[in-house]
Amino acid sequence: SQQGEEDPQALSIQEGENATMNCSYKTSINNLQWYRQNSGRGLVHLILIRSNEREKHSGRLRVTLDTSKKSSSLLITASRAADTASYFCATDAGAGGTSYGKLTFGQGTILTVHP
Amino acid sequence: EAGVVQSPRYKIIEKKQPVAFWCNPISGHNTLYWYRQNLGQGPELLIRYENEEAVDDSQLPKDRFSAERLKGVDSTLKIQPAELGDSAVYLCASRKLAGVGEQFFGPGTRLTVL
Repeated sequence: SQQGEEDPQALSIQEGENATMNCSYKTSINNLQWYRQNSGRGLVHLILIRSNEREKHSGRLRVTLDTSKKSSSLLITASRAADTASYFCATDAGAGGTSYGKLTFGQGTILTVHP
Repeated sequence: EAGVVQSPRYKIIEKKQPVAFWCNPISGHNTLYWYRQNLGQGPELLIRYENEEAVDDSQLPKDRFSAERLKGVDSTLKIQPAELGDSAVYLCASRKLAGVGEQFFGPGTRLTVL
C-alpha cells in the first residue's frame, strides 16, 4: 500500500521557473527521502531529511518537513529541461531515532520542464 | 563503484509460464530489497533481506512468488505461474546495513505477461 500522497500528480513549467511538489504521509517516520525517476537512469536518490530537521538544501533542491502536519515539500529552483522526470517521496518508518529500514513510496509527481 | 545490476531488462512471457529475475547489489551492501512498480505508481516493497535472511516478506504473494539470496550477495525473484496482473517493473535495491540512508536502485526488469 502507498503511504503518501503527492500533489500535484502532474506539473508542467517553463525552463527557469521553480517547481514545487508536496507529499503527505500517515504514520510516524524516522526520515523522508525524495527520489527521481526517468527512463534513462531509473530511480535515483535526491535528498534525505530526518524527522528532527525542518529544512534541507542540496544544490537547486530545497526540502521542508512538517511532522505535525505529516507533510513535506520539494522545491526545485531554476528548473532545466533535464529535470523532466517523475519525483517520489518515500517515508522510512520509525520512531525515537530508530529507522525500520523500509521505504514506503508515494504515487509520484510527473514534472515536465519545457525548453 | 558499480551500481546495482539486474537482468534481464525486459521479459515477455505467456500467462502461466514461470519467470525469474536476478539482482547483484552494490558490493558491501548487506540489505537487499525487491520492489514491484505498476504503471503510474510508486514502487511497493515485496521483500527485504538483511544478509541472507528475509526479514520482511509480508507483502510477497507467497502462493506464486519466491525469492532467495544465497550467500548474502546475489538474489533471485521468481514467479510461478505468472498472471496477467503481474505485468510491472521489478526493481532491486540495496543499502548498507547500518544506519539511516538512501537506497540504490537497479534499472529494473520490465515484465509483460500476455
